[in-house]
Amino acid sequence: DAKTTQPPSMDCAEGRAANLPCNHSTISGNEYVYWYRQIHSQGPQYIIHGLKNNETNEMASLIITEDRKSSTLILPHATLRDTAVYYCIVRVNIRRIKAAGNKLTFGGGTRVLVKP
Amino acid sequence: DGGITQSPKYLFRKEGQNVTLSCEQNLNHDAMYWYRQDPGQGLRLIYYSQIVNDFQKGDIAEGYSVSREKKESFPLTVTSAQKNPTAFYLCASSMGQGASYNSPLHFGNGTRLTVT
Repeated sequence: DAKTTQPPSMDCAEGRAANLPCNHSTISGNEYVYWYRQIHSQGPQYIIHGLKNNETNEMASLIITEDRKSSTLILPHATLRDTAVYYCIVRVNIRRIKAAGNKLTFGGGTRVLVKP
Repeated sequence: DGGITQSPKYLFRKEGQNVTLSCEQNLNHDAMYWYRQDPGQGLRLIYYSQIVNDFQKGDIAEGYSVSREKKESFPLTVTSAQKNPTAFYLCASSMGQGASYNSPLHFGNGTRLTVT
């Protein structure tokens, strides 16, 4: 799986959009970009994933550059409850049962602090 | 509600004892995973299982063992051979290779193991 690079931390004002960058310059054509977040002492929570096209759901938007070497997670209106560590992960789609399969490799993530 | 249950939330053991962490899911997911998280770090994969009676080593399997006798259950045993067992352990599941290969992981809320 391709390696990802994220800033270690960032602050965001409550009510404003939070834009979280992720670099994945070695991503290959069949690798998806996933975003998870982890609130302190809880299990990670899935946010969104995509391959080429931009994606949006009730939690966030995912913008993937045309060359797919980077992406941005957008939290449109950050709240205090969005304070968490955000992980950007890329994963290859392998179908064979004995292959690496669906496992995800988590890096250090970005620690996001939403301030009032 | 469907989900993943890890128990107990906190576990204390003496050095030299084996300890088994429980993970149960009622999501009808094929694949299950165990991750370890150390303070301020990302998640590292210990073991994963894509179907019943089959499992694969992850990146840090030494000192751990698992079984997958039932679809719903994927217990992790931390053996006395694990040199640094104190950590936060997270179990996850996903739909696996069948219906939706890119299905996200769903995590439990973890077990914090302290070995003294």
